[in-house]
Amino acid sequence: QKEVEQNSGPLSVPEGAIASLNCTYSDRGSQSFFWYRQYSGKSPELIMSIYSNGDKEDGRFTAQLNKASQYVSLLIRDSQPSDSATYLCAVNINRDDKIIFGKGTRLHILP
Amino acid sequence: ETGVTQSPTHLIKTRGQQVTLRCSSQSGHNTVSWYQQALGQGPQFIFQYYREEENGRGNFPPRFSGLQFPNYSSELNVNALELDDSALYLCASSPGLAGVDTDTQYFGPGTRLTVL
Repeated sequence: QKEVEQNSGPLSVPEGAIASLNCTYSDRGSQSFFWYRQYSGKSPELIMSIYSNGDKEDGRFTAQLNKASQYVSLLIRDSQPSDSATYLCAVNINRDDKIIFGKGTRLHILP
Repeated sequence: ETGVTQSPTHLIKTRGQQVTLRCSSQSGHNTVSWYQQALGQGPQFIFQYYREEENGRGNFPPRFSGLQFPNYSSELNVNALELDDSALYLCASSPGLAGVDTDTQYFGPGTRLTVL
C-alpha cells in the first residue's frame, strides 16, 4: 500500500467554483500534514499545514483533516486561473521521521 | 522566496560520472532534507540531516550520500550516475525535526540533473 495517495487528475474546475483535492495516507501514527503547490518547472511552495482534526482556513484555502479516516483534503474557494498547478499532499511518517509526498493532483481552472 | 538556495541550476553529466549538488538552508534551520523528483511524479525522499548527522533515509542506494555543515549548507553526492538519475533534485530546510510543529519545510529552487 502506497503511503500517501492522491488522484493524479487532471481536475478541471470552472473559474469561481470550489476545487476539492483529496489525499489518503497509510500510517495511523502520522502527526503532520501539508499541502504544497507546484507550478510547472518550479519547486513546491507551502500552502497549508494542519496538525489537528477538523478544518483550518487561510484566505481562500481550507485544509480538512480526519485522522480516523486517514484523510486530508484541500478546498480552494473562488478558484482563479492562477490556481492552476499541481497540488502535492505531504505527510510526516512519524516512525521514520521523514515527510512523504503523494504524486500530486494536477488542477486546471477553466476561465 | 524561501531563503533556501541551490547550485547549480542545471547540470549535464554522463553515465558513470559523479556529481555534487549544493544547498544553503535558512539560517537557524537545523534540518535539511533532499528529494528526487522525476517528471510527473511527487518528490521522493532521499535522506534527511539533522545537526550534521543523517536522520532518516528513503529507498535510495548507498551511491547517494550527503553531508551537512555547521554553516547551514549541505551537499548531495551521487556516484556512478545512471540514466534514471535524471531528475529535479530539491533540498528543503526546516527549523526542527519532523514530528513536531517545527517540521514545516521550505524548498529551494532545485537542480535539474540530466544524465546522458
